[in-house]
Order: sequence, then C-alpha cells, then structure tokens
Amino acid sequence: QSVLTQPPSVSGAPGQRVTISCTGSSSNIGTGYDVHWYQQLPGTVPTLLVYGNTNRPSGVPDRFSGSKSGASASLVITGLQAEDEAIYYCQSYDSTLNVVFGGGTRLTVL
Amino acid sequence: QFQLAQSGAEVKKPGASVQVSCKTSGYTFTSHNINWVRQAPGQGLEWMGWISPSDGFTGYSQNLQGRVTLTTDASTSTAYLELRSLRSDDTAIYYCARESSHSGSFDYWGQGTLVTVSS
Repeated sequence: QSVLTQPPSVSGAPGQRVTISCTGSSSNIGTGYDVHWYQQLPGTVPTLLVYGNTNRPSGVPDRFSGSKSGASASLVITGLQAEDEAIYYCQSYDSTLNVVFGGGTRLTVL
Repeated sequence: QFQLAQSGAEVKKPGASVQVSCKTSGYTFTSHNINWVRQAPGQGLEWMGWISPSDGFTGYSQNLQGRVTLTTDASTSTAYLELRSLRSDDTAIYYCARESSHSGSFDYWGQGTLVTVSS
C-alpha cells in the first residue's frame, strides 16, 4: 500500500482533459513538501514531468500542469493525445524526509 | 548530455547478494545526490535510498534497512547499490536516478537493471 493515494486508472478521449489526483496526509504533502510527477511510457524508464508542484522541465508540453493544495496534488492533462498513454506517478517526502511515491495511475486514451 | 549507465541484468539465488552499478557522465558527480528506485514486475515505483557523493551521507528506506548499502566512487563517477539476503520478492528493475539540487526531483534516470531472484 502506497503512502500517497492515486486512482488506479483514468481515461479520456483524444482532445479531452483528465485529472489525476494524489492524496497524502499531514505527514507528507500536508507538511508542505513539494510534489513531483513522473511519466512512464510503456516499457520505458520513468521521466520527470512536473517538479516543485507546478514546474515543467524543458521539453514537457504545456498541456501538462500540476497543482497542490493542502495534503493533495493534481496533474491535469489537456488536449489528450494517444501518445499520453502511460502510467503517472506522484512523489513527495515523509516526515523523515524519505521519498514516498504514489501507486501510479494508468491513463488510457480511448 | 547527462547520462547514467547501469550494469547489466543479474540472476541470483535466494540468500545471495547483488551489486548494481550506475556510471554517470556529463555533470559534476559530487554535485547531485543519487537515489535508487526499484520496480517489481507490473508494480509501481519503490524508493530504496539516497547517497550524497560529496560526503557519503546516506538514507535508506525502512523497508530495506539492514539489507541495502549505497556507495560511490568519485574517481569513476560511479554509484553502487548492494542488496543482501535476496528473496524472490526482490525481483525487480533497479533504477538509479540523479536528484536535482534545486527541486529534489529525479531529473535523470539510468536505463534500469533487471535483477531476478530465483532458485
């Protein structure tokens, strides 16, 4: 059982908007620790998608956006494309500054 | 260009130990922590620990405390993971990842090393 809770799956049609939630607690995200998001395309290595709650590394399309409020964070993908099919993971820290991951959310583009 | 090149796949018997290496290039090795993350087949990401190449400080997941040791060799810009007393549920892909000094996120990852534990 992961420390951060994500929905196992979400789906959307091309062009639509989807939101992936990441729910923590007062022991991790709620303490004020940053949330980062990673994308893992099928059969590949995870890559950084959003860092520091809201920031995108260079090369990441602005269709991907992150936010954080209280003990939760969200990743929003707009203008869904087939190539966005992947598993998305959130990551933060616990009270001992150890890294914690969400269980991952599989995005299916219908 | 930043690169983290990991050693090849390993097959080990239960109770044995395994060492995975992560050779870095393209940046100052001592300026970024290295984290290790593993992924069991069909499962999510599990953080294992971190090491600071500049001073050797480490932090480990409580789940693995006592079985894992992280080290580095600054002369070759290489980080190492040793996992002991292997069990079948240690079968996974093991990744090293560079930690961004600005955000703490994992901005570059190795290609992964498959470790299979089987009798």
